[in-house]
Amino acid sequence: AQTVTQSQPEMSVQEAETVTLSCTYDTSENNYYLFWYKQPPSRQMILVIRQEAYKQQNATENRFSVNFQKAAKSFSLKISDSQLGDTAMYFCAFMKHGAGAYKYIFGTGTRLKVLA
Amino acid sequence: ETGVTQSPTHLIKTRGQQVTLRCSSQSGHNTVSWYQQALGQGPQFIFQYYREEENGRGNFPPRFSGLQFPNYSSELNVNALELDDSALYLCASSTGQGVYSGNTIYFGEGSWLTVV
Repeated sequence: AQTVTQSQPEMSVQEAETVTLSCTYDTSENNYYLFWYKQPPSRQMILVIRQEAYKQQNATENRFSVNFQKAAKSFSLKISDSQLGDTAMYFCAFMKHGAGAYKYIFGTGTRLKVLA
Repeated sequence: ETGVTQSPTHLIKTRGQQVTLRCSSQSGHNTVSWYQQALGQGPQFIFQYYREEENGRGNFPPRFSGLQFPNYSSELNVNALELDDSALYLCASSTGQGVYSGNTIYFGEGSWLTVV
């Protein structure tokens, strides 16, 4: 069974600074996807970034980038130039690759507060 | 704007009652999944429907059931409500089956259920 662990329940960062959120996972699968989702107070899960496990290059989306270490089963999210609108819960998630029913395995989340 | 709408947004039910939650997906989204997110936790997979058939289920008892309709809407039904069923229920939809590069999954804003 797959598990996802986020060991930082809460973090804070000053506006315009950089912050890194940690995530580790456990799986015996070789092909899978990893995701970071943002959940603001509106509750809607918003995809921040995704990484295909077969790709060695770390994914980037504007101010968001990941450090994917497949051997260590680590998948951290770096937010550069933090903005007040980045304040939210952040969830790391795992999903197996392929056909058939698919499901996310989510971590317990990290609450990020960006301070003015 | 994800095109996934859920109703109702909030509701309160009494232990032992039954509840139906609804989700309306984008046209063409023939796969829908439901997740339960308890307070302070990450979402947990309940089940998935593909072309109106259940094709995957998480660790939830049979009193959690669902339906998917040809018009891309779906329902989550919970019978014999228990206090622990109090949670945010999220609907997620996409096209096709399985997860492949380029396949995007869209979440709704959820329905808050409180069981008293």
